[in-house]
Amino acid sequence: RKEVEQDPGPFNVPEGATVAFNCTYSNSASQSFFWYRQDCRKEPKLLMSVYSSGNEDGRFTAQLNRASQYISLLIRDSKLSDSATYLCVEGRGGFKTIFGAGTRLFVKA
Amino acid sequence: NAGVTQTPKFRVLKTGQSMTLLCAQDMNHEYMYWYRQDPGMGLRLIHYSVGEGTTAKGEVPDGYNVSRLKKQNFLLGLESAAPSQTSVYFCASSWDSVNTEAFFGQGTRLTVV
Repeated sequence: RKEVEQDPGPFNVPEGATVAFNCTYSNSASQSFFWYRQDCRKEPKLLMSVYSSGNEDGRFTAQLNRASQYISLLIRDSKLSDSATYLCVEGRGGFKTIFGAGTRLFVKA
Repeated sequence: NAGVTQTPKFRVLKTGQSMTLLCAQDMNHEYMYWYRQDPGMGLRLIHYSVGEGTTAKGEVPDGYNVSRLKKQNFLLGLESAAPSQTSVYFCASSWDSVNTEAFFGQGTRLTVV
């Protein structure tokens, strides 16, 4: 079983749609969680951190469910520019950071 | 404002050849990392450094060596390349640990034939 599991997709959605990704992690003691975005053949870039209370940044909402050990990313009103791969990241401390393999999103006009 | 710069961006090696990947950051970060990314797998940490003159092994260190002689530079070496080392390599840096935002270089696409 992978330590961080994501549905690889691809998710194909029309512009304006709402789409949600989940990511499960295996270590209940993990301290921090992030979502990174990676465009095709580009480097990953931080999208947002995930806090226990949940956090929102414009059209993006991230949530953490410690009881079920998953984090989620919700994208509202999808734009063509949201097409990318979204990486779920679990931080365990001591430089032990686990990256998921990513979920691919295609937003179509 | 370059951030993290990797060279080269592409390279093809023959099995057994050696090469060095260079990573440079201009953000005065203490922490630097080398990852590899393979299809269907997440980024995997090869080696990391918590400051000038220090290095440590990550998750997949075999076949690689690193050096951090200057704070701004982190070098990744392949002494004898193998086809299994065909991958995309990313360098990253951060302020304190990888549990805060990591800034990545643009990647190096390496093919070993």
